Amino acid sequence: SAVISQKPSRDICQRGTSLTIQCQVDSQVTMMFWYRQQPGQSLTLIATANQGSEATYESGFVIDKFPISRPNLTFSTLTVSNMSPEDSSIYLCSPKTLAGGGETQYFGPGTRLLVL
Amino acid sequence: SQKIEQNSEALNIQEGKTATLTCNYTNYSPAYLQWYRQDPGRGPVFLLLIRENEKEKRKERLKVTFDTTLKQSLFHITASQPADSATYLCALSSGGYNKLIFGAGTRLAVHP
Repeated sequence: SAVISQKPSRDICQRGTSLTIQCQVDSQVTMMFWYRQQPGQSLTLIATANQGSEATYESGFVIDKFPISRPNLTFSTLTVSNMSPEDSSIYLCSPKTLAGGGETQYFGPGTRLLVL
Repeated sequence: SQKIEQNSEALNIQEGKTATLTCNYTNYSPAYLQWYRQDPGRGPVFLLLIRENEKEKRKERLKVTFDTTLKQSLFHITASQPADSATYLCALSSGGYNKLIFGAGTRLAVHP
């Protein structure tokens, strides 16, 4: 399985500020999914990012609030903009490769965000 | 509307017994289904994948079944150990790119 790292692992931020979360994979992947997990909840998909194209956002999530970059096949960032306490959550990246029947999806360790 | 249901209540079992967790879904036709383990404060860890044309999959003490008629998957841990205590999530592939949609998870507690 791929080795996935996220930075930062955790952060405490003030409302109104923005935080960019980085996700690095040790191999090239076709797609990058970004999820969030609010306290006591399951994972909710924010958006799907392919290299070289605009990210596709799920219902309830918009690009202005969660801009995503995917500059190459091993790296992606998710920015949480103009944060409010409701954005306090764990944010997880999940890379996926389509080649070779690669349906299995692995997850990064997560970024734990607390907004005050 | 689409829905994935897992037992919301925690499952408490005695060490050595078999734990059985349920995942039911409606209004989905998933190409495959995956089970994950999640410990507090950590990302989900992949356990097993089962495709729509497979009835059963095994890996060591784990077994997954997939009944597309009943729209249900069962996840079994045999000879359970306290170290198996965690939250277990089922996830279904959905739509373009087969993105994963997750159930709420079931917390398993194995007591010595």
